Amino acid sequence: DAKTTQPPSMDCAEGRAANLPCNHSTISGNEYVYWYRQIHSQGPQYIIHGLKNNETNEMASLIITEDRKSSTLILPHATLRDTAVYYCIVRGSNFGNEKLTFGTGTRLTIIP
Amino acid sequence: NAGVMQNPRHLVRRRGQEARLRCSPMKGHSHVYWYRQLPEEGLKFMVYLQKENIIDESGMPKERFSAEFPKEGPSILRIQQVVRGDSAAYFCASSPGLVGSYEQYFGPGTRLTVT
Repeated sequence: DAKTTQPPSMDCAEGRAANLPCNHSTISGNEYVYWYRQIHSQGPQYIIHGLKNNETNEMASLIITEDRKSSTLILPHATLRDTAVYYCIVRGSNFGNEKLTFGTGTRLTIIP
Repeated sequence: NAGVMQNPRHLVRRRGQEARLRCSPMKGHSHVYWYRQLPEEGLKFMVYLQKENIIDESGMPKERFSAEFPKEGPSILRIQQVVRGDSAAYFCASSPGLVGSYEQYFGPGTRLTVT
């Protein structure tokens, strides 16, 4: 699986959009970009994933650059409950390659 | 629809004892994954199972650790002769195993403390 690079920490004001970047310059054609978050010591929570098109769900939006070498997770109106460690993970879709490789992630702190 | 369930949530064992961690996947999910998170570290993949089959155990320590996912009942992660270094949070995740549906849903974890 391709390696990802994320800033170690970010702050965002409550109510503003939080934009979390991720670089994955070695991503290959059949690899997806996944985002998970871990709030305090809870189990990781799936947020969103995409292949090459931008994606949006009730939690967030995922913007993937045209060359697929980077992406941005957008939380449109951050709340205090969004304070967590956010992980960007690149993963293949072929059988037997389903494991998630977690890096160090970005620790997002929402400021009141 | 109940989420992934893990029990116990907290487990204390003395060195040398056995630890058994249980994971019930979400309804309709046939794939189970185990991850370990050591204190102040990231999550590390351990093993991936389907019903009655181990698909990928590349992250499992070679000794003392085993996992199963029987035809009936929960998945079990078993640690024999526990040592202090096994103290960690163990998370289980499940997925439907369907083409195009690859997201994994995690349970709340079991926190193992070895004294």
